[in-house]
Amino acid sequence: SQTIHQWPATLVQPVGSPLSLECTVEGTSNPNLYWYRQAAGRGLQLLFYSVGIGQISSEVPQNLSASRPQDRQFILSSKKLLLSDSGFYLCAWDGTGAANYGYTFGSGTRLTVV
Amino acid sequence: DQQVKQNSPSLSVQEGRISILNCDYTNSMFDYFLWYKKYPAEGPTFLISISSIKDKNEDGRFTVFLNKSAKHLSLHIVPSQPGDSAVYFCAASARDNDMRFGAGTRLTVKP
Repeated sequence: SQTIHQWPATLVQPVGSPLSLECTVEGTSNPNLYWYRQAAGRGLQLLFYSVGIGQISSEVPQNLSASRPQDRQFILSSKKLLLSDSGFYLCAWDGTGAANYGYTFGSGTRLTVV
Repeated sequence: DQQVKQNSPSLSVQEGRISILNCDYTNSMFDYFLWYKKYPAEGPTFLISISSIKDKNEDGRFTVFLNKSAKHLSLHIVPSQPGDSAVYFCAASARDNDMRFGAGTRLTVKP
């Protein structure tokens, strides 16, 4: 079966520290992967998406970066966190096979920068 | 754990008829509920929401109903149009905290 894993669930980090959030999918190959941030007003802001290994597209200039080191792994990173990086981050997978027709969201990571 | 559930992975309706998409939740602390719509190759976009102090919110052809006692909400689309064919996600949050998403329901509106 196809599943998506995102960790950690919660994270408290000091300002200026690095960040690494990981997202992996199982049961599929060559998925399209996405990082979202829950925006003000409870909307979703697309941060990065990736259609394959090493292919990253950035939607918004951020203090963040993303990498796709393996087919089923998508990492959200920062070298130095800012207070404004606090928020809720969601990884999503766009099912592209015949049995999949939409997004599957990860469980999310609540990041608090202190 | 699945706090937000959309038990129907797909739904097919005829153009002009009503589409009813259902969503159940388990967390009684949820106080805000949203529906997102997603077309292929596009990201999900916000459609309509409802606060727990209401039981109905209407926006044009879209109406969301909330039954707190049953922990159930539904999205009604009347009349359904072929352009409504998309995947619909239900989401919920508690006290302006993180959203939890359902697995989605694929709606197909046939002309």
